[in-house]
Amino acid sequence: QITLKESGPTLVKPTQTLTLTCTFSGFSLSTDGVGVGWIRQSPGKALEWLALIYWDDDKRYSPSLKSRLTIIKDTSINQVILEMTNMDPVDTATYFCAHRPNDGSSSPVFDSWGPGTLVTVSS
Amino acid sequence: SYVLTQPPSVSVAPGKTARITCGGSNIGSRSVHWYQQKPGQAPVLVIRYDSDRPSGVTERISGSNSVNTATLTITRVEAGDEADYYCQVWHNTGDGVFGGGTKLTVL
Repeated sequence: QITLKESGPTLVKPTQTLTLTCTFSGFSLSTDGVGVGWIRQSPGKALEWLALIYWDDDKRYSPSLKSRLTIIKDTSINQVILEMTNMDPVDTATYFCAHRPNDGSSSPVFDSWGPGTLVTVSS
Repeated sequence: SYVLTQPPSVSVAPGKTARITCGGSNIGSRSVHWYQQKPGQAPVLVIRYDSDRPSGVTERISGSNSVNTATLTITRVEAGDEADYYCQVWHNTGDGVFGGGTKLTVL
């Protein structure tokens, strides 16, 4: 059974850097084709894809946020970390991490999600 | 950037069929995934690769994709189907794109 859970601060100040951790179980990020992604959702708004890291350390970022994002993995402790710099109130959102299965496709799908963590940006 | 267009809302009576569309330029050439999200919960994958239904998803949910529109169809709609639905594709630059979401209301 695959599980993921996001953790990190619930409140950050404008201009600060947000660091979120996704801790997962039920799969290995060393397995070919597997990935972990981050998606966010501002209150009352649509889902927005942020970043994705693959088993081979290939990384993809949303073009609009690329300059502010860093995604890294620690396979030994089953964690993926997302950093977002220069936080602004518009970045207030629920942040989700999700599992990308090894299904041989070049069009990643997220088949398991964490419950999400709400991050508020306010001074 | 690639844009996916969904109707903000769809309403349907119980027992009827709901169709939720996802429009995009030449979307028929891409694989479309659909997620269901109920209030306060994380999204759940209901259709992958246009029309493949993951294990555990009701057979009343199906998907199709052609030319410029992908469609999620829910037959014999029940109150429990009330949720937001999002389509998703991957752009050829390697970027993930979600549609704006559709709120399905069961009358």
